[in-house]
Amino acid sequence: GESVGLHLPTLSVQEGDNSIINCAYSNSASDYFIWYKQESGKGPQFIIDIRSNMDKRQGQRVTVLLNKTVKHLSLQIAATQPGDSAVYFCADTGRRALTFGSGTRLQVQP
Amino acid sequence: EPEVTQTPSHQVTQMGQEVILRCVPISNHLYFYWYRQILGQKVEFLVSFYNNEISEKSEIFDDQFSVERPDGSNFTLKIRSTKLEDSAMYFCASGGSVNEKLFFGSGTQLSVL
Repeated sequence: GESVGLHLPTLSVQEGDNSIINCAYSNSASDYFIWYKQESGKGPQFIIDIRSNMDKRQGQRVTVLLNKTVKHLSLQIAATQPGDSAVYFCADTGRRALTFGSGTRLQVQP
Repeated sequence: EPEVTQTPSHQVTQMGQEVILRCVPISNHLYFYWYRQILGQKVEFLVSFYNNEISEKSEIFDDQFSVERPDGSNFTLKIRSTKLEDSAMYFCASGGSVNEKLFFGSGTQLSVL
């Protein structure tokens, strides 16, 4: 079965608002999680990662939160911009190879 | 910034033909991967390669598929006898260490007619 999955296939936000994209995982052995962004016609692009010994990690305008109790992680994008429009995937290494979940398409409305 | 490069960007082939998709991973990386993405679906793992051998493969990677690192820079995916359902975007990725973040190429769009 799928190791990671996302809650919503599409998320629409207003430009300037904060976006929250959620992901659930099932494998308790997962110890490393990555968020990727995929723009149309391009390969997945690394955004941010987090290890299971952390609850939170911040990057530039992005924050990843990991809740190991409920096996949930989220990607928060501050002040969402039109350039953030893409499909976002979470991925984990619960299996030996990096495994992707189903994506959430983020649509940024002007 | 170093990047993974893939050629060709588009490949059209007839069913039953052999195709070779080419990749040049980032030069100091040791772990190499192929993934595919059927239109509108998630990115699926095919195979990982390390130390000149396959380290893991998925059930998608059957006997029709093979990978090779013919020299110090290229990493190829061969499909011996393509099927219609092989039509997808194929991504090559490389990483500096096992299960660390991967860097992906822009993909080869394979269309099997």
